[in-house]
Amino acid sequence: DAGVTQSPTHLIKTRGQQVTLRCSPKSGHDTVSWYQQALGQGPQFIFQYYEEEERQRGNFPDRFSGHQFPNYSSELNVNALLLGDSALYLCASSPSGGGSYEQYFGPGTRLTVT
Amino acid sequence: AQTVTQSQPEMSVQEAETVTLSCTYDTSESDYYLFWYKQPPSRQMILVIRQEAYKQQNATENRFSVNFQKAAKSFSLKISDSQLGDAAMYFCAYRSAIRHSGNTPLVFGKGTRLSVIA
Repeated sequence: DAGVTQSPTHLIKTRGQQVTLRCSPKSGHDTVSWYQQALGQGPQFIFQYYEEEERQRGNFPDRFSGHQFPNYSSELNVNALLLGDSALYLCASSPSGGGSYEQYFGPGTRLTVT
Repeated sequence: AQTVTQSQPEMSVQEAETVTLSCTYDTSESDYYLFWYKQPPSRQMILVIRQEAYKQQNATENRFSVNFQKAAKSFSLKISDSQLGDAAMYFCAYRSAIRHSGNTPLVFGKGTRLSVIA
């Protein structure tokens, strides 16, 4: 059983460009959450997708958008990249509903904006 | 909004010894979950242990145990018989138990870097 996968592993972009990151959830999981982890910090919640809709959102600007596909995979899009967007982007999947379900994390995409 | 504080940016422990990592949190909710995640240099976040707030008994997973003090809003992680493979960043995380469609997000602390000395 494959866990959470993310692509690409690393990415270098120029300020002002746009980027798309991809995530495939663990088998059986229907909820995907995205987190941004700046260097030396803990992950910060960006948004969460469930049933192909954004359900919850953290304190991130509209430049950050996403999508979830019928197979539960998800994309994170960032427009008009800023130097401060350089970070590790983590995708986590989980089953929907309540309970102390573990969020399974992918290995992340390291984005560098120059 | 909930916050999680890890006051120890770095800790070190001798191999085979015991170390305790601290975590405090702030919330007005009565029902929630607490987690400790490990992030080795490979970057993959791995769940170490979880605690449901409604359970008084402290969670234990092999060499890892927690000291959950609900009134004090404290959730420390004890690692016994430390091994070289325990070296990593450790993050304390909070998750509300309020039901949303989907799943409530994790709120993380800033982490504690644990070094294990051979």
